[in-house]
Amino acid sequence: AQRVTQPEKLLSVFKGAPVELKCNYSYSGSPELFWYVQYSRQRLQLLLRHISRESIKGFTADLNKGETSFHLKKPFAQEEDSAMYYCALPFGNEKLTFGTGTRLTIIP
Amino acid sequence: GAGVSQSPRYKVAKRGQDVALRCDPISGHVSLFWYQQALGQGPEFLTYFQNEAQLDKSGLPSDRFFAERPEGSVSTLKIQRTQQEDSAVYLCASSPPPRLAATGELFFGEGSRLTVL
Repeated sequence: AQRVTQPEKLLSVFKGAPVELKCNYSYSGSPELFWYVQYSRQRLQLLLRHISRESIKGFTADLNKGETSFHLKKPFAQEEDSAMYYCALPFGNEKLTFGTGTRLTIIP
Repeated sequence: GAGVSQSPRYKVAKRGQDVALRCDPISGHVSLFWYQQALGQGPEFLTYFQNEAQLDKSGLPSDRFFAERPEGSVSTLKIQRTQQEDSAVYLCASSPPPRLAATGELFFGEGSRLTVL
């Protein structure tokens, strides 16, 4: 069964330090993976998608099929990065399954 | 409005009461999803519509949960005889064509927080 695991519920990082939010998945086939973010008092929104190979707000995520991971990284954390982050994996044709989320806090 | 709109934002119900949660998706969005998010958890899929057709309701936790989208636009999630374990944030999301799995972009509402006493 498809599953997404985010092992860290909470992560605190100093401003300017590198950030890595972990995501592991179980999936048979070639997965498409996504990161969603929820800033304080805002709605859940798409941050980036694996298929686009994009960098959004300085974040990147590389799919590692050998390790079945899709970790989210940013070299220098900023205070505005504090938020809840969810890794997501499609299953079926139209649904997304989400991880339990990691709350990132950037310490000034 | 430009985004997905949900109402009510907050609902307190006594155990056994029926509740109805409304979702108004982005105009023109074909697909509509309901998710349930319990405290400290990620969103869990409940059901999915394409236009007025409910194509998947495999995530509905019991027959007390019912969703409809009769005209392919506004959707209502109804919970009958609410129980304490139904307490959660209910998120509605919509997406345009093409297939979600190709783009992954769901547009979420702010959610309806249900508390069952």
